[in-house]
Amino acid sequence: DQQVKQNSPSLSVQEGRISILNCDYTNSMFDYFLWYKKYPAEGPTFLISISSIKDKNEDGRFTVFLNKSAKHLSLHIVPSQPGDSAVYFCAVPRMYSGGGADGLTFGKGTHLIIQP
Amino acid sequence: DAGVTQSPTHLIKTRGQQVTLRCSPKSGHDTVSWYQQALGQGPQFIFQYYEEEERQRGNFPDRFSGHQFPNYSSELNVNALLLGDSALYLCASSYGLAGGPYNEQFFGPGTRLTVL
Repeated sequence: DQQVKQNSPSLSVQEGRISILNCDYTNSMFDYFLWYKKYPAEGPTFLISISSIKDKNEDGRFTVFLNKSAKHLSLHIVPSQPGDSAVYFCAVPRMYSGGGADGLTFGKGTHLIIQP
Repeated sequence: DAGVTQSPTHLIKTRGQQVTLRCSPKSGHDTVSWYQQALGQGPQFIFQYYEEEERQRGNFPDRFSGHQFPNYSSELNVNALLLGDSALYLCASSYGLAGGPYNEQFFGPGTRLTVL
């Protein structure tokens, strides 16, 4: 049962244009969302996050939008650069009974390819 | 300051064998989580170690076990290897347990395990 879904395995965007990566989730109780980026032969690295009390969070070229009613979030990269070519994962904290959180639940990822 | 390190980088085993993977957390971090990333999937949470104890476990059988040492480094052991255990095994470290995944987790580059 996928709690976090990234339905686009890959996305190709021209350099300088906007990249939009999408993520859907199933549980309306999720209160925190994260995006991680992964290059080949490296571990995932944290990119940006958003709390459910916000609908937008911006960090330089990266902006994450949260639509709670649609249970949808998106990552916008403007302008896209060749170094942005990587796999992007959407993730939520893994909740356990008792109200705590331990690890992360990841989507399957979207492979973003920035074309020159 | 060294980040999260993992060894070995690659490993080839045959079915039925046992394997031990190692992880050294980022300096100052005391919590270690292990993830399995199968091909085309996002990382899946295996378990988390804090204060030398397994705190939480994901949906993985008892063939997967671990250990955390007083210096916070950790090992992941997998017994009776199956073909389906072939994957990238990622270690992530963070500080403290209370914040859980709300604190940024730092990932190592992973160990690529191939089971023949």
